[in-house]
Amino acid sequence: ETGVTQTPRHLVMGMTNKKSLKCEQHLGHNAMYWYKQSAKKPLELMFVYNFKEQTENNSVPSRFSPECPNSSHLFLHLHTLQPEDSALYLCASSQGSGGYTQYFGPGTRLTVL
Amino acid sequence: DQQVKQNSPSLSVQEGRISILNCDYTNSMFDYFLWYKKYPAEGPTFLISISSIKDKNEDGRFTVFLNKSAKHLSLHIVPSQPGDSAVYFCAARDPQGGSEKLVFGKGTKLTVNP
Repeated sequence: ETGVTQTPRHLVMGMTNKKSLKCEQHLGHNAMYWYKQSAKKPLELMFVYNFKEQTENNSVPSRFSPECPNSSHLFLHLHTLQPEDSALYLCASSQGSGGYTQYFGPGTRLTVL
Repeated sequence: DQQVKQNSPSLSVQEGRISILNCDYTNSMFDYFLWYKKYPAEGPTFLISISSIKDKNEDGRFTVFLNKSAKHLSLHIVPSQPGDSAVYFCAARDPQGGSEKLVFGKGTKLTVNP
C-alpha cells in the first residue's frame, strides 16, 4: 500500500451504533488529520495529531472520539451520531515540523440513519 | 466567517484553452498556499503550492500566481485537458496556534469540454 488509506470506504450506521473509521499513512509522516466534508461546504478540520499528540480539536462534539496510537495510524470512533453527521470523512497526513503539504486518503462516505 | 473564498462555484472552458481559477483570502498571516484537485469518490490530490515570499510558481501546465497586496491567488492551467475536469480547492496555511493547519475554500468545479 502506498500513500494514505482509509477503511471502510462506505459506512451506514444507525444513531445508536458504535463504529470506527481507520486511517493509515505509508509516507513516514509525523502529523495526521481528520476532516469532514459536507455538501457545499469547505473542508472542516476536526482534529490534528503531531507525533501522536493531539494538537487541535476544532470544537468537535464528543460523539466523535479520535485515537492516534502511533504516527502511522489514526482512528475516529463514532457513537450516537446524528443524521446531520452524514458526510465524507477525510484523513490526511503531512511531514509536520514545517512540511505543510497534506496528503489525503480517499475518504469514508458516512450515512447516519 | 470564511477566510478563504472561491467565489466561482463552477467554470467551463474549451479543451486547449486556458483555465483560470481564483481564490481570495482575508488573513494576512497566511504564509503558504496550496491548490488541490478532487475527483468524485476520491480524496483531494495536491497540485501545486506557493510560499508567501514568492509571486509565481510553475509546474508543467500549472502556474499559481500570488498577489499579496490584493490577498488573491489564481491557478492557471494551460492548455486545459478534459482530464482536468474536477473540483479545485484553494487552501492556506494558518501559522498561528502551532498546529500545521490548512484552511480550505469551498472549491470550484472545472469542466473542460472536448
